[in-house]
Amino acid sequence: QSALTQPASVSGSPGQSITISCTGTSSDVGTYNLVSWYQQHPGEAPKVLIYEVNKRPSGVSNRFSGSKSGNTASLTISGLQAEDEADYYCCSYTGSNSDVVFGGGTKLTVL
Amino acid sequence: QVQLVESGGGMVQPGTSLRLSCAASGFSFSSYSMHWVRQAPGKGLERVAVILYDVDNKYYADSVKGRFTISRDNSKNTLYLQMNSLRTEDTAVYSCARGGGSTGKYYMDVWGKGTTVTVSS
Repeated sequence: QSALTQPASVSGSPGQSITISCTGTSSDVGTYNLVSWYQQHPGEAPKVLIYEVNKRPSGVSNRFSGSKSGNTASLTISGLQAEDEADYYCCSYTGSNSDVVFGGGTKLTVL
Repeated sequence: QVQLVESGGGMVQPGTSLRLSCAASGFSFSSYSMHWVRQAPGKGLERVAVILYDVDNKYYADSVKGRFTISRDNSKNTLYLQMNSLRTEDTAVYSCARGGGSTGKYYMDVWGKGTTVTVSS
């Protein structure tokens, strides 16, 4: 199963909004509403931000939101803050044998 | 608080074996599916194995199928990953993670910090 496609990097200024895309296929992202997003700061464990496309776990800021259109899922971060600078990964169920596939990751730089 | 702590990593030669452990605390371990996810240096995340809360169901990435075995001891609140026939491409930080949602199969809601495995001659 091929990895989902994410941009290698995105950037934004404090207070702005940015969107990170995650492109899969009709066999994974396009069919199943089982996309999740993770934030990882250097040297730390990943943290789930979004699950099932657009659901936020308790404790995650409402500045983070998820959506999906066709084979592409998106993570939007509004009101960008310096602490949002991190790597972000998307993940989707592949429809096969309980398998999931991750994206290659996107490095967010807050200017 | 909910915590996952991995151990057992190290530097080994190709073809050898290693067993990783993940000690869970702060939640009802036996009620959750558990995952092993790895991250090679400078690379993204890869889920290598998952074991469902009912123990009988286990799933593996194609890259490790037949070489790695995931298991759990609910009496010890511990998850394991037995890694045999290690290859240089298995070099990575290995993290355990708790499965989220009703099935626990499709996303991970709590992660450990990981243990480093280096396979090199």
